[in-house]
Amino acid sequence: DAKTTQPPSMDCAEGRAANLPCNHSTISGNEYVYWYRQIHSQGPQYIIHGLKNNETNEMASLIITEDRKSSTLILPHATLRDTAVYYCIVRAAGGTSYGKLTFGQGTILTVHP
Amino acid sequence: GAVVSQHPSWVICKSGTSVKIECRSLDFQATTMFWYRQFPKQSLMLMATSNEGSKATYEQGVEKDKFLINHASLTLSTLTVTSAHPEDSSFYICSVSRTGTKNIQYFGAGTRLSVL
Repeated sequence: DAKTTQPPSMDCAEGRAANLPCNHSTISGNEYVYWYRQIHSQGPQYIIHGLKNNETNEMASLIITEDRKSSTLILPHATLRDTAVYYCIVRAAGGTSYGKLTFGQGTILTVHP
Repeated sequence: GAVVSQHPSWVICKSGTSVKIECRSLDFQATTMFWYRQFPKQSLMLMATSNEGSKATYEQGVEKDKFLINHASLTLSTLTVTSAHPEDSSFYICSVSRTGTKNIQYFGAGTRLSVL
């Protein structure tokens, strides 16, 4: 799996957009970008995923650069409950290792009043 | 609502005893479930892949005789920590992947194990 690089921590004011970057310069053509988050002492929660097109759902938007070497997760209006560790994971959608996720250290996002 | 149910959420046991953790897929049948472990201030580490009706596949460095996995049905996988010791104290999390959802994982709430 391609390795990802994320800043260890970020701050965001409540109500503002939180933009979390992720570098994945060795991503392969069949690998998707997944974002999960983990609120303290809970299991991770799926947020969004994409291959090459930008994606949006009720939780967030995912912007993937044209060369696919980096992406940005956008929480449009951050709330205090969005404080969590955010993981960017690059993974093939199928294949012999289907389902296995490799978690890095992620980005600790702190949303403050 | 929750897709994955994990039980118990918190367990304290004496050193040398065994602890069983259950992971249930509530909304769909899961031929494959995953078990992760997370130590304080660290990221999740995959321990093993649980396959319904067959032996689990363990990651390198994980003792299969110590962490017994049983996936007897399409909705239930169990992880038994045998002869637990204080160093086994950790946060254990299971997950399931729904076929056709492009590898989206649904995680349980986790089990906090404290071995005294």
